[in-house]
Amino acid sequence: AQRVTQPEKLLSVFKGAPVELKCNYSYSGSPELFWYVQYSRQRLQLLLRHISRESIKGFTADLNKGETSFHLKKPFAQEEDSAMYYCALRTGANNLFFGTGTRLTVIP
Amino acid sequence: EADIYQTPRYLVIGTGKKITLECSQTMGHDKMYWYQQDPGMELHLIHYSYGVNSTEKGDLSSESTVSRIRTEHFPLTLESARPSHTSQYLCASSEPGDRDYGYTFGSGTRLTVV
Repeated sequence: AQRVTQPEKLLSVFKGAPVELKCNYSYSGSPELFWYVQYSRQRLQLLLRHISRESIKGFTADLNKGETSFHLKKPFAQEEDSAMYYCALRTGANNLFFGTGTRLTVIP
Repeated sequence: EADIYQTPRYLVIGTGKKITLECSQTMGHDKMYWYQQDPGMELHLIHYSYGVNSTEKGDLSSESTVSRIRTEHFPLTLESARPSHTSQYLCASSEPGDRDYGYTFGSGTRLTVV
């Protein structure tokens, strides 16, 4: 069965510090991983997807199949990065499975 | 503006009442989904649809039902609301060949059954 684990419910970092939000998954097939973000009083929205290998708002995430991880990283956190972040796994059935989320707070 | 809309945003209702949560999208997406989320917990898929007259149950068992009579409309119904149904319900949609674009989510309906 598929599963997405985000071990940290809360994460606080100072502005300008590096940030890493952890995500591990379990899935027997070929995974597709995503990061979604929800800013205060806004909708859940797509941040980035692993297949595009892009950087969005300074965030990057690399799929590590050996470690079954898809950690989200940013070298210098900004106050506007404070939000709820969800890692999601898409299976062959084309449905998304979400982790429990990590609330990131960037301290000024 | 092409978007996905959920109504109501908040609903407080008594036990035993029948309720329908509305979800409509104007993007022409074939695929639509309902997720349920309790505070601090994962989003759980409860229903999905790949097109008109197509509905399937998701991974989390739910007493709710859905219908898909029109492409743009995917309402969720609870015949008899109970306090255990108190949760946030999120609707989403995606298009065929969406492997690069993910889902578009609505603003959600926060349901409280008293």
